[in-house]
Parts: sequence; structure tokens; C-alpha cells
Amino acid sequence: QVQLVESGGGLVKPGGSLRLSCAASGFTFSDYYMSWIRQAPGKGLEWVSYISSSGSTIYYADSVKGRFTISRDNAKNSLYLQMNSLRAEDTAVYYCARARDTAIDYWGQGTLVTVSS
Amino acid sequence: QLVLTQSPSASASLGASVKLTCTLSSGHSSYAIAWHQQQPEKGPRYLMKLNSDGSHSKGDGIPDRFSGSSSGAERYLTISSLQSEDEADYYCQTWGTGKVVFGGGTKLTVL
Repeated sequence: QVQLVESGGGLVKPGGSLRLSCAASGFTFSDYYMSWIRQAPGKGLEWVSYISSSGSTIYYADSVKGRFTISRDNAKNSLYLQMNSLRAEDTAVYYCARARDTAIDYWGQGTLVTVSS
Repeated sequence: QLVLTQSPSASASLGASVKLTCTLSSGHSSYAIAWHQQQPEKGPRYLMKLNSDGSHSKGDGIPDRFSGSSSGAERYLTISSLQSEDEADYYCQTWGTGKVVFGGGTKLTVL
């Protein structure tokens, strides 16, 4: 069965960096677009970034452009999110998600990122 | 601009049916959307993809009580025979050029 397991979350000071990872299993990872989506405490879902199956196409939300970098390693069935220059408003649960034909069709369990001094 | 609009809240009685609405912004009425459920303190779960013609494909293990339909720019999620575990936040989602868009979510209360 499809599994997406995020790791790498934690407490970081404003201006700091963090790298999230997502380990995928149960499907052919290299066939699918992947995405990061976040949810601030008590708020709705906010798309962060997506990457095409080959990694050649990447897009970011305006709120993270220039600070976050999405990448993938198809040989390791892994998705990454490098987050730099973190701000308090980046505090959220970050979800790794699989995309199929314009729909997000599987979600990970999420990893909490807290940006605070 | 691609925007999805949802009512913030809805309520219905145990055993009854409820119809949630997601409205696509002007000029985007042909777009497919997906519905997602988020139960309290849990991560989101994919329910179904819903096309503009009302055809839909559900996620693994989604009960028949959940169905979708479309009319113009409106996309609907109908939940019948409401159960207590259906009390959750429901989000619609679509995919535009270079972005993924979520609606603001509807909080469903089962009375």
C-alpha cells in the first residue's frame, strides 16, 4: 500500500534552516508528481511546492519562493524540502503528498515545524 | 485568478444527508477538483476526484456514502447516512498552471 513518511521537523530559530524528507513506498515513485503542503495551527491547507516526476518542473507558492527548495531522488524514493530563512509564519505541520492527474491522492502523516526564538 | 470558495461551516443530524459545496472562480468552471477529509487531530485523507461532468473516482476504502456531483462552476460532496466519524473539515482542491489551490474548508458538525 502507498506510504509517505515525513521526517526532519522540529524547533528552529527565526532565520534558521531545516530540511524535511519524505520516504515513499508502495508505488513507482518516479512516475508521480509530488508536493509539499502545510497547515498552520488552527488554519486551513496551504500548498507550498510541487515537483514533476523527473524533477524538471518545479513551482513554489509566493510565500516561500526564494527561501524553500524542493527536490527528489528517484533512486531513493525520496522527496525533500530545504527550508532557509525561516520565519514565525512558517510554523506549521508539513505534509508530503502524491499527485495523480491534478488531484492530491495520498498524504503523509505530517511533520511539525516550529519557528520560534 | 483560480479560487475555490467553500462555506466555513455546515451541520446535519446523525443518519441524515448533507451536501457540501465548492465553487470555482469565474472562467474555471471546467476544472476538476478533489475532495479531502480531515478528522480532528489527524492528517487529511483523499476522498475523490470530481470532474465537471459529475463523474468521480474515489480513493481507496472510501464508503459508498460519499458521492460527488457537479453543476456549472459548483462541485458538490454529498455524505449520506451521516455517522459521528464524519464530523471533520472538508477541503476541495484543484490544480492550476504552476500551482495547487485549496478552498478554505468547511467544518461539518454532526448533531
